[in-house]
Amino acid sequence: EAGVAQSPRYKIIEKRQSVAFWCNPISGHATLYWYQQILGQGPKLLIQFQNNGVVDDSQLPKDRFSAERLKGVDSTLKIQPAKLEDSAVYLCASSLALVRFFGPGTRLTVL
Amino acid sequence: GQQLNQSPQSMFIQEGEDVSMNCTSSSIFNTWLWYKQDPGEGPVLLIALYKAGELTSNGRLTAQFGITRKDSFLNISASIPSDVGIYFCAGLFSRNTNAGKSTFGDGTTLTVKP
Repeated sequence: EAGVAQSPRYKIIEKRQSVAFWCNPISGHATLYWYQQILGQGPKLLIQFQNNGVVDDSQLPKDRFSAERLKGVDSTLKIQPAKLEDSAVYLCASSLALVRFFGPGTRLTVL
Repeated sequence: GQQLNQSPQSMFIQEGEDVSMNCTSSSIFNTWLWYKQDPGEGPVLLIALYKAGELTSNGRLTAQFGITRKDSFLNISASIPSDVGIYFCAGLFSRNTNAGKSTFGDGTTLTVKP
């Protein structure tokens, strides 16, 4: 069974630029999550989708972050404009029930 | 929001030694998950616990769901070099308005010396 796919794996941008990350969840998983993991910390939930609807985006900085999951499968997370403190690994996960299955993450460096 | 305290923050052990780490919280959880994260990869599930008092093993790993539902423990027996990595606990709510919500600890970094 294929796991959660993410791209790109690495991205380096300058502050105030825009960036987008893509995620393809495990086939059949209705729930999709985006997490931010800052170095030395555990994953922090940014947004949770159930099919193509948002379940929880309470921790998403909506002035600069946006996410969508059109058609209830793939998802994109966008940051516009990026700040230095956005440097982190962005993890996508999917689930059928409670257990989250994570992708390899995208490491973002903002200079 | 809820906070998980994971300890120790890091451990340096000799190959063959046993390891014990834990997670505590002021919140009551319905599910505890333990993950391992290797450098450059996403967390991989090790053990899931669904019932207070439950003790579950996966090879050399054993995890327990605390009776108070506010804590969980992970033990690794006879450590080997490939056990190196960061171990995360996650507490999940599965009922009421918080159903499906989770909180992750900040991890225990394990180093195993051959």
